[in-house]
Amino acid sequence: DAGVIQSPRHEVTEMGQEVTLRCKPISGHNSLFWYRQTMMRGLELLIYFNNNVPIDDSGMPEDRFSAKMPNASFSTLKIQPSEPRDSAVYFCASSRRDSSYNEQFFGPGTRLTVL
Amino acid sequence: RKEVEQDPGPFNVPEGATVAFNCTYSNSASQSFFWYRQDCRKEPKLLMSVYSSGNEDGRFTAQLNRASQYISLLIRDSKLSDSATYLCVVNGEGTGFQKLVFGTGTRLLVSP
Repeated sequence: DAGVIQSPRHEVTEMGQEVTLRCKPISGHNSLFWYRQTMMRGLELLIYFNNNVPIDDSGMPEDRFSAKMPNASFSTLKIQPSEPRDSAVYFCASSRRDSSYNEQFFGPGTRLTVL
Repeated sequence: RKEVEQDPGPFNVPEGATVAFNCTYSNSASQSFFWYRQDCRKEPKLLMSVYSSGNEDGRFTAQLNRASQYISLLIRDSKLSDSATYLCVVNGEGTGFQKLVFGTGTRLLVSP
C-alpha cells in the first residue's frame, strides 16, 4: 500500500523565493496534517484539514505561509517569501477521522533549506 | 511550560538492558496518548497507544498516570535496532481531539 507521498524530498532555495511543498495522503484518509520539525522546537502542527476543509490553522507562523487542499488526494503548503528561519523538515500526515485512536501516518518529509 | 515535556537524553544502554522513559503533559483534558518512534532522518511512526490500564506489546510496556499527568515507556531486553528517538504524544484541544502535541523526544542509543 502506498503511504503518504511528499514532494520534493529536498529543497534548497534562496531567501525571498516562493516554495511549494506537496502532499498526497493515503487513499481513504479524510484528515490531513502539516507539521514542521526543527531541532529547537521539535514537531509542531501548522494546520490540519478534515474532508478538504481547513479546521485549525493556529500553528501557521505568519501570513507568509498558506495551505490548500483542493481535493481529497492533494494538498500544498506554500511559503512566500521564504526566509532562512523557515529551514526545517516539513511533514505531511494523514489519518482516518473515524478511527478510534486517530493514528496519524507520516510522509517522508521535505527537508527545506533557505539560504 | 511546554504541553508535553520529555528528557531529551541521550540514554546510552547496552544490549539486553531495560530502559524507561517518562514524559509529563499539562492538559488535564487530554484523552489520547501515544508513543511514536522516529529514526534518524526519517518520519515519526506510531509505536503504541497508551491506555489507562497500561498496555504491553512484546518488549514494550506503556503506562499512563492521569492523576500525575505522566506517561511512561519501558523497553525490556534492548536491541540495537531500538536506537531511535521516542516521542511522547498527547492529543490537544481541537475537533474530535485530532490535534496531536508532540514532545521533543528522548533519544535512545543501544550499544553492543
